Amino acid sequence: EAGVVQSPRYKIIEKKQPVAFWCNPISGHNTLYWYLQNLGQGPELLIRYENEEAVDDSQLPKDRFSAERLKGVDSTLKIQPAELGDSAVYLCASSSQAGGGSETQYFGPGTRLLVL
Amino acid sequence: AQSVTQLGSHVSVSEGALVLLRCNYSSSVPPYLFWYVQYPNQGLQLLLKYTSAATLVKGINGFEAEFKKSETSFHLTKPSAHMSDAAEYFCAVSYGGATNKLIFGTGTLLAVQP
Repeated sequence: EAGVVQSPRYKIIEKKQPVAFWCNPISGHNTLYWYLQNLGQGPELLIRYENEEAVDDSQLPKDRFSAERLKGVDSTLKIQPAELGDSAVYLCASSSQAGGGSETQYFGPGTRLLVL
Repeated sequence: AQSVTQLGSHVSVSEGALVLLRCNYSSSVPPYLFWYVQYPNQGLQLLLKYTSAATLVKGINGFEAEFKKSETSFHLTKPSAHMSDAAEYFCAVSYGGATNKLIFGTGTLLAVQP
C-alpha cells in the first residue's frame, strides 16, 4: 500500500513569494491533516479535513495561509506571501476514521520550506 | 491547556543498554497516547499507541510503553539499544471528539553510542 505522498520535498523561495504544497493521502483515508513542524519542535496541527470539509482550521493563519481539498482526496496548502518565519517542515497525514481519537495518523515525508 | 512533556531533549545510550524516554501528559481525563519516531528527513512513523486496553503496550522494533494513570505517564522503553534506533522520538496525546488532533511533545533525540 502506498503511503502519504507529498511534493515537493524541498522548496527555497524569497520572502513575499507564494508557495504551494501538495499532499495525496493513503487511498480510502477520508481524514487529512496538515501539520507545521518548526526546528526542534513537535508538529502542530494547522488544519484537519473530513472528506472535503475543513472541520478544524483554528490554528491556520488565515491572513496568509489557505488550504483546499476539493474532491475529498488530495489537498493543497498555500502560503501567500511567505515570510521568513514560515521556514519549517510542512507535514501531511491521513487516517481512516474520524472523531474517535485513537486512530493512527500516517505521515508523509514532509516538505521542507526555506524562505530567504 | 492539555499538553505533553518529554523530559530530556537529548538522550544518549550505549549500544545494548536500556533505552528509557519519558513522557508525561497533563489532563484529568486519560487520553489516547502515542509514540512516533522520526528519522532524518522523513515523516513520523507510529511505534505504538495506548487506547485504553492493556496498560503495557508493545510496539514495533522491540519498543514498549506502560500507561500509568496515577503518574500521568507513558514512558517508552527498549531493553537493548541498537545503532538503528538513533532518531527523534515524539510522544503525543489525543482526546478525540470535535477537536480531535494529536498534541505532540517537543521530542527527544536519541543517540546510540557504539
